[in-house]
Amino acid sequence: DQQVKQNSPSLSVQEGRISILNCDYTNSMFDYFLWYKKYPAEGPTFLISISSIKDKNEDGRFTVFLNKSAKHLSLHIVPSQPGDSAVYFCAASGISNFGNEKLTFGTGTRLTIIP
Amino acid sequence: NAGVTQTPKFQVLKTGQSMTLQCAQDMNHNSMYWYRQDPGMGLRLIYYSASEGTTDKGEVPNGYNVSRLNKREFSLRLESAAPSQTSVYFCASSETGSGGEKLFFGSGTQLSVL
Repeated sequence: DQQVKQNSPSLSVQEGRISILNCDYTNSMFDYFLWYKKYPAEGPTFLISISSIKDKNEDGRFTVFLNKSAKHLSLHIVPSQPGDSAVYFCAASGISNFGNEKLTFGTGTRLTIIP
Repeated sequence: NAGVTQTPKFQVLKTGQSMTLQCAQDMNHNSMYWYRQDPGMGLRLIYYSASEGTTDKGEVPNGYNVSRLNKREFSLRLESAAPSQTSVYFCASSETGSGGEKLFFGSGTQLSVL
């Protein structure tokens, strides 16, 4: 039972345009949402997060939007740069099916920025 | 700043062999974690340690054991490796383990079990 879903395994975007990565979740007990970025042969690195009491959080080129009623969040990258090419993981924190509050990750979306 | 260091980076085992994956962090973090990453499955939590002296099961603990040796080190042991344990393993740490806190990851161990 995948509680955090990233339905697009891959996404290609032209350099300079907006990249939009989507994430859906099923567990209404999640109260924090985070995005991680992963380059090949490296560990994931934290990118941006949002609390469930907010609907938007911005950090430079990165903005995360949260729609609690739809159980949906999205990451916007504007403008997209070649260095943004990576796998992006959505993660949620809260009481999971396993009774703990640890992060539950989505399956990831591979973003490719085309020069 | 080393951050989170994992060893080894690569390992090939035969079915039934045992091995220990080592992890150390130098950020004075209280909480440490072991995840595995499989294609199409994302990262799944194997075990975590909220603080020195405590360990708890995550989503996929079967076939693994852990030891929180001290505040810095958290090891993952495979007693009898199986092909289903072929995966990339990541160790991570966080300051307090509280909800929404960001994790710092090591660079991973790629394990193949033949």
